[in-house]
Amino acid sequence: EIVLTQSPGTLSLSPGERATLSCRASQVVISRYLVWYQQKPGQAPRLLIYGASSRATGIPDRFSGSGSGTDFTLTISRLEPEDFAVYFCQLYDNSPLYIFGQGTKLEIK
Amino acid sequence: QVQLQESGPGLVKPSGTLSLTCAVSGGSISSSYWWTWVRQSPGKGLEWIGEINHSGSTYYNPSLKSRITISVDKSKSQFSLTLSSVTAADTAVYYCAAVPGGCSATSCYLNFWGQGTLVTVSS
Repeated sequence: EIVLTQSPGTLSLSPGERATLSCRASQVVISRYLVWYQQKPGQAPRLLIYGASSRATGIPDRFSGSGSGTDFTLTISRLEPEDFAVYFCQLYDNSPLYIFGQGTKLEIK
Repeated sequence: QVQLQESGPGLVKPSGTLSLTCAVSGGSISSSYWWTWVRQSPGKGLEWIGEINHSGSTYYNPSLKSRITISVDKSKSQFSLTLSSVTAADTAVYYCAAVPGGCSATSCYLNFWGQGTLVTVSS
């Protein structure tokens, strides 16, 4: 089973700064199956990025995804106050069908 | 757009059976979506449980397969999860979600989510 490892576990930044979140797979994966979600306290995850780099409907262009092979990145170009949340990566695979990373908490510095 | 709402008991006794239902609105349960269950606990993060389509085809997480059943009731526009022989390790927030059908050719993701329901396993 593929394992997704996200780093850092917690990222402390200020509004206006750039955030770079990493998701590393334990083996080479198909990029179009790599997805990112945002989760705020008490809410369900919200789809941000699919296919490694395509923004979901309604997602601001300050969010971008990149990567291939085993290394993927979610970048938030200029942090807004509402961006402080937990971010998860997810992979579609054979079995189990959906694998999640453990999450990165983005907190206000 | 599709809206999902979980319902079911918030407390289940150890060795008992957890039963949850997800009501689908804003779209047809007979559409091409795969209707999915995911849970989230502090210890294990997000964990995919399984999914079903409108025809009743299912895929289950191998780690839970012996204990879970997912079913669909098109007449009520809902799908359900049962998890048997529960322990404290099954305590989690349970979400239902929807995955676009035919996604393996493009990208597979959980597009719509319910708000989640906390299920605690305790005597």
